[in-house]
Formats: sequence, C-alpha cells, structure tokens
Amino acid sequence: GEDVEQSLFLSVREGDSSVINCTYTDSSSTYLYWYKQEPGAGLQLLTYIFSNMDMKQDQRLTVLLNKKDKHLSLRIADTQTGDSAIYFCAEKRTGTASKLTFGTGTRLQVTL
Amino acid sequence: NAGVTQTPKFRVLKTGQSMTLLCAQDMNHEYMYWYRQDPGMGLRLIHYSVGEGTTAKGEVPDGYNVSRLKKQNFLLGLESAAPSQTSVYFCASSTVGLTNEKLFFGSGTQLSVL
Repeated sequence: GEDVEQSLFLSVREGDSSVINCTYTDSSSTYLYWYKQEPGAGLQLLTYIFSNMDMKQDQRLTVLLNKKDKHLSLRIADTQTGDSAIYFCAEKRTGTASKLTFGTGTRLQVTL
Repeated sequence: NAGVTQTPKFRVLKTGQSMTLLCAQDMNHEYMYWYRQDPGMGLRLIHYSVGEGTTAKGEVPDGYNVSRLKKQNFLLGLESAAPSQTSVYFCASSTVGLTNEKLFFGSGTQLSVL
C-alpha cells in the first residue's frame, strides 16, 4: 500500500518519555521527517533523519530508524505539557517531484 | 517574519458556490503546495507548483484548480464546492533542488461546505 502509518493517540504523564512510532512504505526513501502540529496551527518541522543513519539525537528528541523493518520512531525525553500536539512522520520518496508523503498523525496528550 | 500566510482563516460555503484560497510566502521559495487535512487521514497533497507559471496534480486534485502567476503566491480555487470538500487546507512552501526537503506551512484555512 501507499500509506505511511501511525497510531492515532498516545497519552503520557509529564516527565515520562514518549515514543511515537511510524511505519513507512518506500525502502528507498532518502529522508524521513517528524513534524509537529499544535492546536490551530500549521505543521512545523521538528527533526529529520537521512536514510543512511540509524539514530539522530537533538536535545530531548531521539529519532531511531530501522530500515529493514521500515520503522521510524520519535522519542521525547522528559515530556512536558507543551509537547501536547499532533506529530506527523513523513517520507521523501524517490522518483517523486520533491513531495513528501505524510502519515496520519499521532495525537500526544501529556497529563499532569 | 511572515513566512507563509493563508487567507482566509475560516470560510463557510453553500454547495455549488465558488471561492479562492490565497497563499503567500516571502521566503523566495520555488516550490509551493496545497494540502488538505482530514481526521484520521493525515495530509493529502492536492496540487503543487515547482515554480512560477507551473502547476501539477497531487494525490487528490479533483474539484480543485490552482494558479501560480507570481512566485510568491499560490491560489487554490473551488469552482463548485461540495460537502466532501469540507476540510482544513494548508499551504506550504520549500526550497528544493536540494536533497533535503523542509516544508514551511501556513496556519491553515478551515472550510465548511453546507
């Protein structure tokens, strides 16, 4: 299929780690991305990883890439209430005119 | 720092009416995109443009038309609105020609078709 899949909802307690998962479709995708959408706003790029990397860390964010399983994850350490948002993974497929294919989005709810 | 600006932010239409959504970017980006966002379906690409005067179809182009007369503007038109076009519409732009792809999004237009 053509879908980039994510679970729809994740709830975590403030201070815990969050792990958001994504399964993509094109094993030759060059870049994979995580975007964040806060309520009433457009998407903002959080981080990205090049396909020849297994891991990328950026402050509280850790991206893990398993190319064999076409699985991407985003770990947020010490999750804060300000992290409550919808998180989209996206892949840049080869052979496409610079378009991204987005997942369905995971709504992260952070509780006190 | 305006970035990507969409107008209007909200609109309600009756079935069969027409309207145009305007997207403007001040970052001198070559590529511009229109997406629609529906619950449980993520973002789907409607049309895109790789430069002034060019347009191309995306994943769900039916019922929409676009124009890119100026590099900074990308217009999305609905000639005869249908309830199935009720959605949140996002415009985005990017500098491409590079291997990486970073999209900058507008804040969205919520459209309801009754």
